[in-house]
Amino acid sequence: SYVLTQPPSVSVAPGQTARVTCGGNNVGAESVHWYQQTPGQAPVMVVYDDSDRPSGIPERFSGSKSGNTATLTITRVEAADEADYYCQLWDSSSGHYVFGTGTKVTVL
Amino acid sequence: QVQFVQSGAEMKKPGATVTVSCRASGYSFTRYAIQWVRQAPGQGLEWMAWFNPGNGNTKFSQIFEGRVSFTRDTSASTVYMSLSNLRSEDTATYYCARKVADRFDYWGPGTLVTVSS
Repeated sequence: SYVLTQPPSVSVAPGQTARVTCGGNNVGAESVHWYQQTPGQAPVMVVYDDSDRPSGIPERFSGSKSGNTATLTITRVEAADEADYYCQLWDSSSGHYVFGTGTKVTVL
Repeated sequence: QVQFVQSGAEMKKPGATVTVSCRASGYSFTRYAIQWVRQAPGQGLEWMAWFNPGNGNTKFSQIFEGRVSFTRDTSASTVYMSLSNLRSEDTATYYCARKVADRFDYWGPGTLVTVSS
């Protein structure tokens, strides 16, 4: 089955920049979406279609893609950004939806 | 605003069937499909299936095909997801979410299903 690989963890100091990557064979060909999940809560979409931001999501959250790797970037990191982050895409070959393995972002 | 209300936590025995409801509000219920995603304790997100309450179309992950089914009550803007032949590995929080294009823009709060003898 299709796999989207993320680093298990990323640590960042407050005010610095966190980058979370998402790699997979079809990443370059499909739209990638990103979700933030804080403990005990449902996921919240923070980036969609590679680089668009839903209303209400701070500009500090941005997305990009190069080749088969998508990246979620969080600038000026705050304590409230500490959460698990998941990438997601639709695999057109199977018609299935796939989530990344998830990355825990820790604010030091 | 778009909101979802899900049914409460369930405890089931192996082999049983659980039904989780997802009531939508704040948008036209039949216009968008509802996705179902589950998360085992301490684990990542796992896509299960989507169901279109407008026309009844569905798409299942191969992992769940044959064990998941859907019904809907359009008058109550509610979708019901049933998972049969439960096993301990099905212990998880089950989320419904609205499907817009190929993304999930609004999520329900989740329903914890515990399978234990």
